[in-house]
Amino acid sequence: GAGVSQSPSNKVTEKGKDVELRCDPISGHTALYWYRQSLGQGLEFLIYFQGNSAPDKSGLPSDRFSAERTGGSVSTLTIQRTQQEDSAVYLCASSLVRQGNTEAFFGQGTRLTVV
Amino acid sequence: QQQVKQSPQSLIVQKGGISIINCAYENTAFDYFPWYQQFPGKGPALLIAIRPDVSEKKEGRFTISFNKSAKQFSLHIMDSQPGDSATYFCAASIVGYKLSFGAGTTVTVRA
Repeated sequence: GAGVSQSPSNKVTEKGKDVELRCDPISGHTALYWYRQSLGQGLEFLIYFQGNSAPDKSGLPSDRFSAERTGGSVSTLTIQRTQQEDSAVYLCASSLVRQGNTEAFFGQGTRLTVV
Repeated sequence: QQQVKQSPQSLIVQKGGISIINCAYENTAFDYFPWYQQFPGKGPALLIAIRPDVSEKKEGRFTISFNKSAKQFSLHIMDSQPGDSATYFCAASIVGYKLSFGAGTTVTVRA
């Protein structure tokens, strides 16, 4: 597709369950970001992948959160043993890093509700 | 710590008026400053961006003003329209690294 695709668009899970959120970036984009947005709040950085470099995991809130990017394309964000405070919209973005520009294109997000 | 501070948290403007949103940053290594617009239920979308080698950039009704010495930049929305009602985020980055976002400003344009 032409844009960043995230799936599922909505996910309701029970507290304590694991969830996987998927992001398909724009083809050819070397950088991929995950952000979290709580209701009415700003964008909280989670993790950043850039090419073959080691990912910047400095925003992951706990060791229950992990992410991987396979083949430099699709990324999966995994949340283990979900808690109610994990409820938020999880946004993925990708960009083609080039001189003078880091324009990031966002997906529609996955709304996660932990009950 | 929050690397980009944004204000105000919200603002209301009459149709045809000017909306002004301000951001300040600390990291002098930042060299890319975009603004994103987000409508409810949608992901943020790039609105306009500036590099620190220019002091102003205009695209249609949207203008970024950049003050490198003060480490501040702002978004001006001229002739505000109801369709501009959205949440606006400023951001900053070193090209090739993660984007750091401000907390967002909810703009409401009254007809």
